[in-house]
Amino acid sequence: SAVISQKPSRDICQRGTSLTIQCQVDSQVTMMFWYRQQPGQSLTLIATANQGSEATYESGFVIDKFPISRPNLTFSTLTVSNMSPEDSSIYLCSVEDWTAYYGYTFGSGTRLTVV
Amino acid sequence: AQKVTQAQTEISVVEKEDVTLDCVYETRDTTYYLFWYKQPPSGELVFLIRRNSFDEQNEISGRYSWNFQKSTSSFNFTITASQVVDSAVYFCALGGMKTSYDKVIFGPGTSLSVIP
Repeated sequence: SAVISQKPSRDICQRGTSLTIQCQVDSQVTMMFWYRQQPGQSLTLIATANQGSEATYESGFVIDKFPISRPNLTFSTLTVSNMSPEDSSIYLCSVEDWTAYYGYTFGSGTRLTVV
Repeated sequence: AQKVTQAQTEISVVEKEDVTLDCVYETRDTTYYLFWYKQPPSGELVFLIRRNSFDEQNEISGRYSWNFQKSTSSFNFTITASQVVDSAVYFCALGGMKTSYDKVIFGPGTSLSVIP
């Protein structure tokens, strides 16, 4: 199955600053997905990133706050901009994995705390 | 609208007991995928199973079994002879099948604690 390397694994950031999260996949994938998991909550899809085009954002998420890059078929970044304590969450990237088990594989997550 | 409900927020069982986690979904699509994921305390999401909407066969994998009933829109997950290592949050999820890129909707999760 696909292997995703997500960095950083955790960070503590000052409010008003930005953090860029990276996801590297060991195989080429068309779509990458970015999720947010607020403390004690389920996963919420932020956006879907297709290589070579603008990301598609879900309701409640905007590009100015969560800009996404997708420069090639194995890499994507999510930036959390102008952070506030409400942005403290786990952020996860995900890809479709139709090789081993036809499911979705997730990165190990980035645990972000904004102080 | 698509929705996944997991009515059990938290469950505690004693080791070796059987436990069933409920999942009910809503969708207008006639074809779709259903998933179960496990999130242990370490935080990573572990894929457990994918089920196609047109395949209602129940599945067993070791101590895990899944009961898919399209008539009641349910996809329940049973752990037999639970172990402490089963303690985790379990998410049921619903994915579209119209294209390869339909998004996945996650349920709120059920936190399972297995007490030794």
